[in-house]
Amino acid sequence: TQLLEQSPQFLSIQEGENLTVYCNSSSVFSSLQWYRQEPGEGPVLLVTVVTGGEVKKLKRLTFQFGDARKDSSLHITAAQPGDTGLYLCAAYSGAGSYQLTFGKGTKLSVIP
Amino acid sequence: DAGVTQSPTHLIKTRGQHVTLRCSPISGHKSVSWYQQVLGQGPQFIFQYYEKEERGRGNFPDRFSARQFPNYSSELNVNALLLGDSALYLCASNPRGDVGEKLFFGSGTQLSVL
Repeated sequence: TQLLEQSPQFLSIQEGENLTVYCNSSSVFSSLQWYRQEPGEGPVLLVTVVTGGEVKKLKRLTFQFGDARKDSSLHITAAQPGDTGLYLCAAYSGAGSYQLTFGKGTKLSVIP
Repeated sequence: DAGVTQSPTHLIKTRGQHVTLRCSPISGHKSVSWYQQVLGQGPQFIFQYYEKEERGRGNFPDRFSARQFPNYSSELNVNALLLGDSALYLCASNPRGDVGEKLFFGSGTQLSVL
């Protein structure tokens, strides 16, 4: 069973700071997804990365997929209180598998 | 358009009881998946259904079962509840249930087992 390791587990920063969170595994993925989950809500898909080395930008969020497709990072520029939430990476368990496996997440708090 | 709706939003049960959770997918979505999210963890896959057939099952005991109805809504049943079953149960839908297809999650049912 593949394991997605996310770090850090918790992150508390001041508004305006930059941050990076990581998602690592020993497995190779055909694609990897990032979600954000707010308290009392279900996860919401932010992005799917597919190609090794791929970089995707979503406003102040930059997502990168490792060249070997084993790891990914999420960088937030000039964090805002609205970025507060649980950031989860997820990937499908194997070829033809319908099982989406999530990491434990990074809980981000942005202090005004 | 309405998103994925789940009911009830909160539920309190005692050990040994049975519980049924319900999910209505987004209109036009034929696939429903269930996830369990224990406090401090990411969601864990329980089941996926497509066109009323089970497509995938995670590492959960037989106390967990589910079904999908002709209107594509779904129920998750848990028998003989244990304290460790306390969690947020999430339902997600997508149009075809294809691998890599975007999942749309509901807000979940918070189950507390006392």
